[in-house]
Amino acid sequence: NAGVTQTPKFQVLKTGQSMTLQCAQDMNHNSMYWYRQDPGMGLRLIYYSASEGTTDKGEVPNGYNVSRLNKREFSLRLESAAPSQTSVYFCASSDPGGNYGYTFGSGTRLTVV
Amino acid sequence: GIQVEQSPPDLILQEGANSTLRCNFSDSVNNLQWFHQNPWGQLINLFYIPSGTKQNGRLSATTVATERYSLLYISSSQTTDSGVYFCAVGRQGGKLIFGQGTELSVKP
Repeated sequence: NAGVTQTPKFQVLKTGQSMTLQCAQDMNHNSMYWYRQDPGMGLRLIYYSASEGTTDKGEVPNGYNVSRLNKREFSLRLESAAPSQTSVYFCASSDPGGNYGYTFGSGTRLTVV
Repeated sequence: GIQVEQSPPDLILQEGANSTLRCNFSDSVNNLQWFHQNPWGQLINLFYIPSGTKQNGRLSATTVATERYSLLYISSSQTTDSGVYFCAVGRQGGKLIFGQGTELSVKP
């Protein structure tokens, strides 16, 4: 099925550990995004990539790094996880060519203990 | 930055009832989308509607960009409509700023 695929779906980390969240889309979209969702705070943009080879910070980039590996893949890395990074992470893609409608992945529930 | 306010924060309906959800935003935008997050956490794009009116089955949306608000109408609600509805707006590229959401519960 066409869409956005995120892995893993669940992860528990200890404080200080590192991990990479993977995201891939097969809709040939140019733009990709990483959001985090916390209770009572809606979704907040961490990083985005307007096109292959470009990335830029969103509202809450501290503690994260990203890589736009190719047009399909956009990964999010936590170098040294902190309890404040416990959240649900969503990847999304869109095509600014005409319609900016987002397609979201199913999310990654991350707990940092 | 742009502020996005959604109302009401919570809504409980009986199956078959109609409802209107509102989204106010503080500045001009060229991108506005409505999303539904189901009880399992999946986010589904309902409408891309920076201006005008669109309809999709029992759902419709209207955005009045000059007055900085958008409305989502749900008619003949069903239990499967339950979840959280988010409005999100943007100006530059595809980046979106999300509201806090309206949590809808439809009772059988």
